[in-house]
Amino acid sequence: QKEVEQDPGPLSVPEGAIVSLNCTYSNSAFQYFMWYRQYSRKGPELLMYTYSSGNKEDGRFTAQVDKSSKYISLFIRDSQPSDSATYLCAMSARSNDYKLSFGAGTTVTVRA
Amino acid sequence: DVKVTQSSRYLVKRTGEKVFLECVQDMDHENMFWYRQDPGLGLRLIYFSYDVKMKEKGDIPEGYSVSREKKERFSLILESASTNQTSMYLCASSFDSVRPYEQYFGPGTRLTVT
Repeated sequence: QKEVEQDPGPLSVPEGAIVSLNCTYSNSAFQYFMWYRQYSRKGPELLMYTYSSGNKEDGRFTAQVDKSSKYISLFIRDSQPSDSATYLCAMSARSNDYKLSFGAGTTVTVRA
Repeated sequence: DVKVTQSSRYLVKRTGEKVFLECVQDMDHENMFWYRQDPGLGLRLIYFSYDVKMKEKGDIPEGYSVSREKKERFSLILESASTNQTSMYLCASSFDSVRPYEQYFGPGTRLTVT
């Protein structure tokens, strides 16, 4: 069983819809959670970073962590065609961990 | 802007060849990483380096070696390429040990071994 599970999709939504992405994990030591966005033919870029449980908002993006359920989510409000990308979750037990555990990524298409 | 460049976007090599993948970052980052990305498996860490001439194994180091002779350059070496090393290879760098998770990635090299 993989340490981090992420539904690969693909997910296709109309412009303006809310996109909901999630990952589950098995290692209860994970405390630091990241979301990376990867456009086609590009490397991933860090989108959001959260520590422990709770919500974090950054513009149209909201990251949620539920450590009791070992479940993290990323919500994209008012989605735009420019949000079409693959979204990867990543996590670690310590803030200074060099090794991250990545999900396989969910591919999202926002239709104009 | 941080820039991480990789020497080739596409590479085709034959089984048994020695393959060098080069990565250069221009932001004086301490840490550099090599990953491979395969469908359904996500990113898997091959090796990383937190300083010049220092290297640490990642999750899948078998069949690979690395070299970091200068701070800005990190090379991945496939000593004898095999077909199961056909993959997308991504290089990344991060500033220091405080936030190593804040990684900046290059565009990737798609390697095909025939």
